[in-house]
Amino acid sequence: AQRVTQPEKLLSVFKGAPVELKCNYSYSGSPELFWYVQYSRQRLQLLLRHISRESIKGFTADLNKGETSFHLKKPFAQEEDSAMYYCAPLVGGGNKLTFGTGTQLKVEL
Amino acid sequence: EAQVTQNPRYLITVTGKKLTVTCSQNMNHEYMSWYRQDPGLGLRQIYYSMNVEVTDKGDVPEGYKVSRKEKRNFPLILESPSPNQTSLYFCASRTTDEQYFGPGTRLTVT
Repeated sequence: AQRVTQPEKLLSVFKGAPVELKCNYSYSGSPELFWYVQYSRQRLQLLLRHISRESIKGFTADLNKGETSFHLKKPFAQEEDSAMYYCAPLVGGGNKLTFGTGTQLKVEL
Repeated sequence: EAQVTQNPRYLITVTGKKLTVTCSQNMNHEYMSWYRQDPGLGLRQIYYSMNVEVTDKGDVPEGYKVSRKEKRNFPLILESPSPNQTSLYFCASRTTDEQYFGPGTRLTVT
């Protein structure tokens, strides 16, 4: 079945430690991939998209077509990074943005 | 300011009492959608609309209706709400590059 998987529901790290939020997808073709973030009591917002290859708030994500993964990484976690992160492939010919179940990142002091 | 708005933000209602959650965007986006967010299940798409008068089912459409009579508005209708529709609902509109979300509507059905 076509799906997107975020295996970790909760990831807890100390401030300054590296962070990797995992995302694997099993959609055919080459879907465009996004990471969205939801800070406490705020609406979801775009963090980054793989096409742009940019770094936002120190986060990067590399698309690995061989492993069908799009893991989100940051070398040094900050307290303000604590949030819920969703991996989201755009599928259905660009008609449908599908979300994973999300990973809650908690950065502890 | 470019934004997606939803009303109401919070609603507690009883089983079977019809309700409508409104959604409006001021960015002239053609594509709009509704999601529900539940713990452990992430965001699941309820319905989407690719343009005026064009709507289609998402992953969990049962118990919901939508309409798209004008580009800016995309209301979500629950004809006969049930407790399993207690959830946090998000409306969104998007371009090809980014999806913009509303602030969410927390619905409780008792």
